[in-house]
Parts: sequence; C-alpha cells; structure tokens
Amino acid sequence: QKEVEQNSGPLSVPEGAIASLNCTYSDRGSQSFFWYRQYSGKSPELIMFIYSNGDKEDGRFTAQLNKASQYVSLLIRDSQPSDSATYLCAVNGGAGGTSYGKLTFGQGTILTVHP
Amino acid sequence: DAGVTQSPTHLIKTRGQQVTLRCSPKSGHDTVSWYQQALGQGPQFIFQYYEEEERQRGNFPDRFSGHQFPNYSSELNVNALLLGDSALYLCASSLIGQGRAEAFFGQGTRLTVV
Repeated sequence: QKEVEQNSGPLSVPEGAIASLNCTYSDRGSQSFFWYRQYSGKSPELIMFIYSNGDKEDGRFTAQLNKASQYVSLLIRDSQPSDSATYLCAVNGGAGGTSYGKLTFGQGTILTVHP
Repeated sequence: DAGVTQSPTHLIKTRGQQVTLRCSPKSGHDTVSWYQQALGQGPQFIFQYYEEEERQRGNFPDRFSGHQFPNYSSELNVNALLLGDSALYLCASSLIGQGRAEAFFGQGTRLTVV
C-alpha cells in the first residue's frame, strides 16, 4: 500500500463545474495535509493546507479532512481552464515526531478543465 | 518579499560527475528540504536541514549530501552521477522552528545526466 494515494486520473470537467480530487493516507499519526498545484514544467505551488477535521474554504477551493477515515479531498468550484494542472496531495508527519516537516506526496492527479 | 530561489535552473552533467545545487529559503524561514521529482511522479523527500544540521533523510544513497549555512541557505551535492539521477530537484522552505509545516517550493533545478 502506498503511503499517499490519489484518485487515478486524468480528470476532465467542463468549465464552471466542480472538480473533486481525493487522497488517502496510511500513517494515522499524520498531522497536516497540503494540496499543491503544478503546471507543466513548473514547480509545485501551495494552494491549501488543513490541520483539523472538517472543511476549510479559500475562495473557490475547499479542503476537507477526515482523520478517522484517513481521507483528504480538494473541491474546486466554478472550475476554469486556468485550473488545468496536476494536483498533488502531500501529508506531513506527526508534530514533534521524527518525521515532522517531511512531506510525503501522492503521484498527482491531472485535471483538465475544458471550455 | 523574495520567495524561494534556486540555482541553476537547468544543468547538464555527464555520468560520474559531481553536481552542486543551491537554494535560498523564503525570508524568515529556517528550514530547507530537498526533493527529487521524476517525470510523472510526485516529489520524493531527500533530506531536511534545520539549524545547520541534517534532521531527516529519505531513502536516498550517501551520494546525496547537503549543507545548510548560517544564513539558512542550503546546498545539495550529488556525487558519481547516474543516468537515473536525471530529474527536477526542488528546494522547499518552511518555518519548522515555529511549528509551521507549510512548505514553499523554489522553481527547481532541472538536472539532465548524459
């Protein structure tokens, strides 16, 4: 079992729709969770982070975390063609533990938003 | 406020050679981590430097080494380059000393080994 798994892509949605990206992780001690967007040929850009169970909203983005189910998701509302990119889920080790600050990434999900 | 800067942006090396990559963290950040990203994969953690010491290391051989300077900047050194070392090398800075794990990446160094 991979430490961090993302739903297989690619994912294609029409402009204006909601894109849903999912991620599961294996380490129950994980404390914080991140979503990065990576355009082709560029470096990852942090778009959301979440530390507590529940939802966190920032503009068109909503991150959802369920630690009991070891599941984190990212919703993108009113998707735009400029949202087309690879989305990477990253999980941080437990606070104060030896793995704190080490991010473990999923393989990424390619999202295409078509006009 | 300058973000994370890396140099060089592109590099071509011959198998067996040695390479040094450089990173300056975001202003105010105290921790630098290095990642390797192969094409089509997520970044893989190489190691992390905090207070000028290597604090954590991923599953990479000793050919990969690093250093952090008093101004928090960092270097990644790779010896005896292999073709398989060709990848995008990413530096990320964070504020681990304040308990903040959010990591911000530089633009990366694209290393090609021929």
